[in-house]
Amino acid sequence: DTGVSQNPRHKITKRGQNVTFRCDPISEHNRLYWYRQTLGQGPEFLTYFQNEAQLEKSRLLSDRFSAERPKGSFSTLEIQRTEQGDSAMYLCASYEIGKFFGPGTRLTVL
Amino acid sequence: QKEVEQNSGPLSVPEGAIASLNCTYSDRGSQSFFWYRQYSGKSPELIMSIYSNGDKEDGRFTAQLNKASQYVSLLIRDSQPSDSATYLCAVKGNDMRFGAGTRLTVKP
Repeated sequence: DTGVSQNPRHKITKRGQNVTFRCDPISEHNRLYWYRQTLGQGPEFLTYFQNEAQLEKSRLLSDRFSAERPKGSFSTLEIQRTEQGDSAMYLCASYEIGKFFGPGTRLTVL
Repeated sequence: QKEVEQNSGPLSVPEGAIASLNCTYSDRGSQSFFWYRQYSGKSPELIMSIYSNGDKEDGRFTAQLNKASQYVSLLIRDSQPSDSATYLCAVKGNDMRFGAGTRLTVKP
């Protein structure tokens, strides 16, 4: 257990629905990252926060994706109008020297 | 060319042998290098970090870095069946980029 928690752990949704994931990082870590990982691939960077400021977004992050980190604590990642290609493991990571990953949210879009 | 390249494997070694995992990267400005272990269905777990050329040892694990060759490796001595996992190489430049991972199987 790295101290990073994510909810829900699994989400099954129908194409076109909106989904929201939550990440609670290690409390003293200012940086929080979101990654997406598909089978057989390494994690792909999506976005990161320094406290409440979203400092970088990947080109992979379409307009359907939005992330927030109000008050620099927990973060949410929302996907609107989900597509089957969004099916993946969504990983949150808290940063101190290396990244400490949460258990992930596995999204399946039917 | 991918930013971080690893042989996808699978790499199979007998129990007790040395497993050698390799990684090359393209960004010469990269400063920090990491190895993660990922069991099937689980999230990556940080096992080693290395920042300067040479070797860094931690228990049965040794990370090796050669910035001139843009090469980083991980050696696992006395491999155990519990080491069977996918090993991800990660390189930090402006941000951290991951390789696709090498799947290691340690056979009893």
